[in-house]
Amino acid sequence: AQSVTQLGSHVSVSEGALVLLRCNYSSSVPPYLFWYVQYPNQGLQLLLKYTSAATLVKGINGFEAEFKKSETSFHLTKPSAHMSDAAEYFCAVLPTSGTYKYIFGTGTRLKVLA
Amino acid sequence: GAGVSQSPRYKVAKRGQDVALRCDPISGHVSLFWYQQALGQGPEFLTYFQNEAQLDKSGLPSDRFFAERPEGSVSTLKIQRTQQEDSAVYLCASSGDLPVNEQYFGPGTRLTVT
Repeated sequence: AQSVTQLGSHVSVSEGALVLLRCNYSSSVPPYLFWYVQYPNQGLQLLLKYTSAATLVKGINGFEAEFKKSETSFHLTKPSAHMSDAAEYFCAVLPTSGTYKYIFGTGTRLKVLA
Repeated sequence: GAGVSQSPRYKVAKRGQDVALRCDPISGHVSLFWYQQALGQGPEFLTYFQNEAQLDKSGLPSDRFFAERPEGSVSTLKIQRTQQEDSAVYLCASSGDLPVNEQYFGPGTRLTVT
């Protein structure tokens, strides 16, 4: 069965520092991959998605992610953290076989230190 | 509105009460999903509608959970005889794509069972 692993349930970075949130998936066939952000008391907002086009995907708010098939990874990065980036981030997988069920990771809470 | 809306945003129920949670998807979206998000966890799939047809209810945790979308737009998730373990955020999402690709999430309903 498909699964998604997000390493680090909590990540702290200083304002202006690099943000790196890790996501690994388990699948023999590269799935569609998504990063969502959830601010307190809000729903999930799509940051970016990989759907088998370019392996480097750029999203909103300066975030980007790189699909690496050899590492089964889809890590999220941002060169310079901003205080407003503090939120919970979820990686999700959608198999390409026509299914509709997202499989979410357990989330990483990002804290940005002034 | 342009996005997915859910009501109520917060619901407190006494154990044993029935609750009904409403979801208004993006207009014209064929697919509608319900997810359950426990504290500190990623969302977990509950059920899926394509128009008015409930194609998958495999994620519903018990027969106390029931969902409907009678006219293919608004959906209601009903929980009968609520239990403390039902306390969670219930998220609704919709998608205009077939096969399903990107899903758009509502803000969720936080249910607390006392």
